[in-house]
Amino acid sequence: RKEVEQDPGPFNVPEGATVAFNCTYSNSASQSFFWYRQDCRKEPKLLMSVYSSGNEDGRFTAQLNRASQYISLLIRDSKLSDSATYLCVVKTNTDKLIFGTGTRLQVFP
Amino acid sequence: ETGVTQSPTHLIKTRGQQVTLRCSSQSGHNTVSWYQQALGQGPQFIFQYYREEENGRGNFPPRFSGLQFPNYSSELNVNALELDDSALYLCASSLVSRPEQFFGPGTRLTVL
Repeated sequence: RKEVEQDPGPFNVPEGATVAFNCTYSNSASQSFFWYRQDCRKEPKLLMSVYSSGNEDGRFTAQLNRASQYISLLIRDSKLSDSATYLCVVKTNTDKLIFGTGTRLQVFP
Repeated sequence: ETGVTQSPTHLIKTRGQQVTLRCSSQSGHNTVSWYQQALGQGPQFIFQYYREEENGRGNFPPRFSGLQFPNYSSELNVNALELDDSALYLCASSLVSRPEQFFGPGTRLTVL
């Protein structure tokens, strides 16, 4: 079983749609959680940290359920520029980042 | 504030050769981590350096080695290159007191 699992997609959605990505992790000792965004052939860029209380940044909302070891990302009012791969990332107690394989999002006009 | 930089951007080597990749951390960041990203996969942790010492290692063989310098920049060395070493190599810098890591643009290595 992979340490961080994501649906690879692709998710093809029209502009303006709401889309949700889910992720599960296996290490209950994981300490920090993130969503990174990666454009084709570019480096991952930090989109947002994920907190137990849930957090929002504009059109993006992230949720963490520690009991279920589950992380989610909701994107509202999708833009063409949101097309990218979204990486679910967990930081372990040994300080390394564990990445999922990513979920590809394609927003079409 | 200067971001993370890496060099070279692209590199082509043949099997059995050795390669050195370089990374300059973001201004003020004292920790550097290296990752390997194969096509279609998420980045895989290779190792991390803090205070010029290895501070954690992933599941990579000893032919992957590294260094960190007093100015926090870092090198990744790979000996006896294999075809499967072809990947994007990413460097990320962070503060030891903070969990977020910030990535450089990567070095794309092709082994023929």
